[in-house]
Amino acid sequence: SQKIEQNSEALNIQEGKTATLTCNYTNYSPAYLQWYRQDPGRGPVFLLLIRENEKEKRKERLKVTFDTTLKQSLFHITASQPADSATYLCALDYNDYKLSFGAGTTVTVRA
Amino acid sequence: SAVISQKPSRDICQRGTSLTIQCQVDSQVTMMFWYRQQPGQSLTLIATANQGSEATYESGFVIDKFPISRPNLTFSTLTVSNMSPEDSSIYLCSVESRGRPGPDTQYFGPGTRLTVL
Repeated sequence: SQKIEQNSEALNIQEGKTATLTCNYTNYSPAYLQWYRQDPGRGPVFLLLIRENEKEKRKERLKVTFDTTLKQSLFHITASQPADSATYLCALDYNDYKLSFGAGTTVTVRA
Repeated sequence: SAVISQKPSRDICQRGTSLTIQCQVDSQVTMMFWYRQQPGQSLTLIATANQGSEATYESGFVIDKFPISRPNLTFSTLTVSNMSPEDSSIYLCSVESRGRPGPDTQYFGPGTRLTVL
């Protein structure tokens, strides 16, 4: 069956450090992998998309890698700030336009 | 991007009753989606709603329990029927981004937090 797994533990890091989140998947052949941010009481907000033929994508302090051989994406938040505290979800496309989401990893950045 | 609003933002309902959730978008979109997010869980797609056609339901979700309307390109409703405590969840609507930055990127509403007693 299809499965998306993210870091099972919440991530607590010191301000200024790099947070690294993992997204592993099985039985998918995604053309894209996306990362979303979700704050408590709010809907997810799109952050980054990486295509299957791209190895790395950056946006400001965010970096995403995508390894289709390992079936894994890594999401990095560099120079983290308390405002980065949120739950981060990875999502894969399937059946053309639908998205399947991982359970998310909650990041807390301590000042 | 699209601005999406949902009503109500939260509700507490009695077992056996029904609740209709509204989703309004500030621009015309072809595809709208309804998700459920149970506490500590991932988002689960309930159905896809296209204007002018019947909603398409995912495995485990049926029209009798979750009827959906899509009367125009900016509005949709999801009804949670004959509710039980197991229906307590956050219900989210989303819309497709029309290809920017990718064909499957979605914009989400703020969600409706439902508690069934």
